[in-house]
Amino acid sequence: QSVLTQPPSASGTPGQTVTISCSGSSSDIGSNTVNWYQRLPGAAPKLLIYNDNHRPSGVPDRFSGSRSGTSASLAIRGLQSEDEAEYHCAAWDDSLSVGVFGGGTKLTVL
Amino acid sequence: EVQLVESGGDVVRPGRSLRLSCEGSGFTFDDYALHWVRLAPGKGLEWVSCISWNSRYIAYADSVKGRFTISRDNTKNSLFLQMSSLRREDTALYYCARSYTSSSMSFEYWGQGTPVTVSS
Repeated sequence: QSVLTQPPSASGTPGQTVTISCSGSSSDIGSNTVNWYQRLPGAAPKLLIYNDNHRPSGVPDRFSGSRSGTSASLAIRGLQSEDEAEYHCAAWDDSLSVGVFGGGTKLTVL
Repeated sequence: EVQLVESGGDVVRPGRSLRLSCEGSGFTFDDYALHWVRLAPGKGLEWVSCISWNSRYIAYADSVKGRFTISRDNTKNSLFLQMSSLRREDTALYYCARSYTSSSMSFEYWGQGTPVTVSS
């Protein structure tokens, strides 16, 4: 059972903006920054957003993140077919002293 | 080029033990904390364990606490995961990943993963 809650699926058409939510608690998202990962089949997860809203070098600015209270979100602007993947949020839980991931959101580009 | 390369994955029977390794290269190994993350078939990512750069801080997920032991050898740029009393639910692809601190879940670099199958 994942500690961070994400919708299991999301979808959009090319060019649209899609937002994926991640809900936690005061001890994880409420206390620590959120990171987002993209997972393509057969590949290691790729860091998309770190520390709530920073993009690693090479990640297009179509991807953006935000955090407020005990929730965070990932927005993908100008959706492209290659964005079809699974997306996971992650944060540290201060209360349990463990890392936590969301269950993942499978994004389908229609 | 930063690289993390896992090894040691295998098919094992329930109750048996297995040791995973992860060798780092292309960066100063003891500048970073290291983590193990697993991906079970049909499931999402699960954080397993982490160790600080100097091994003074170690943490485990409840699902593996008491059964798994994380360690590192900075002289050999290597990270280890000793897994004992393995259960079917430990079947997964195990990744190592690095972060700046133990309590950071920001993993820019991952290995390719090593598969562990627990089956009778």
